[in-house]
Amino acid sequence: DAGVIQSPRHEVTEMGQEVTLRCKLISGHNSLFWYRQTMMRGLELLIYFNNNVPIDDSGMPEDRFSAKMPNASFSTLKIQPSEPRDSAVYFCASSSGDDYYNEQFFGPGTRLTVL
Amino acid sequence: GENVEQHPSTLSVQEGDSAVIKCTYSDSASNYFPWYKQELGKGPQLIIDIRSNVGEKKDQRIAVTLNKTAKHFSLHITETQPEDSAVYFCAALTAALIFGKGTTLSVSS
Repeated sequence: DAGVIQSPRHEVTEMGQEVTLRCKLISGHNSLFWYRQTMMRGLELLIYFNNNVPIDDSGMPEDRFSAKMPNASFSTLKIQPSEPRDSAVYFCASSSGDDYYNEQFFGPGTRLTVL
Repeated sequence: GENVEQHPSTLSVQEGDSAVIKCTYSDSASNYFPWYKQELGKGPQLIIDIRSNVGEKKDQRIAVTLNKTAKHFSLHITETQPEDSAVYFCAALTAALIFGKGTTLSVSS
């Protein structure tokens, strides 16, 4: 298996533009997590899906952020409009199982820079 | 909500020495404590975890200890090797997984 796949790996955009990050889960996994990593705040959970349903979105910063799972193997995280403070590395992770106790397999991340 | 403090933020050791990273958590209901290793340019990878009904767990050169009374847990790496150089994150689970800020471990040969 190729592991969790994220695209793009790097994204540079200007303030106000829409940004879409993509994630492909490991085949057979049914839980999906989006994280944001910054030097100041460390690794923060943004949203957790189980079987395509959002279970916990309390970490989503504000209405500018939205996440979807259009099917069982794919997810998007959209930021509209983007702001410089959104600059970070965004990771998605997938796991098999219905809770946080199962090992989460992280993708390589998308480094987002908003100018 | 849960808060996880991790120390030290950086740690430098000589190859062959032991390394210890410590974390404290605030929510006594936390019951699962994984440790992740993140190499440069990669996502975190689980290296060991422990549940609240266990005091210690070992996997080759890596061990984790848990003190529920004091609400702290530690990662121990023995016989360190240069390939152990990475950022290590602890985490604690109550309603969600909360991560510490990370420890950058450098092992020099």
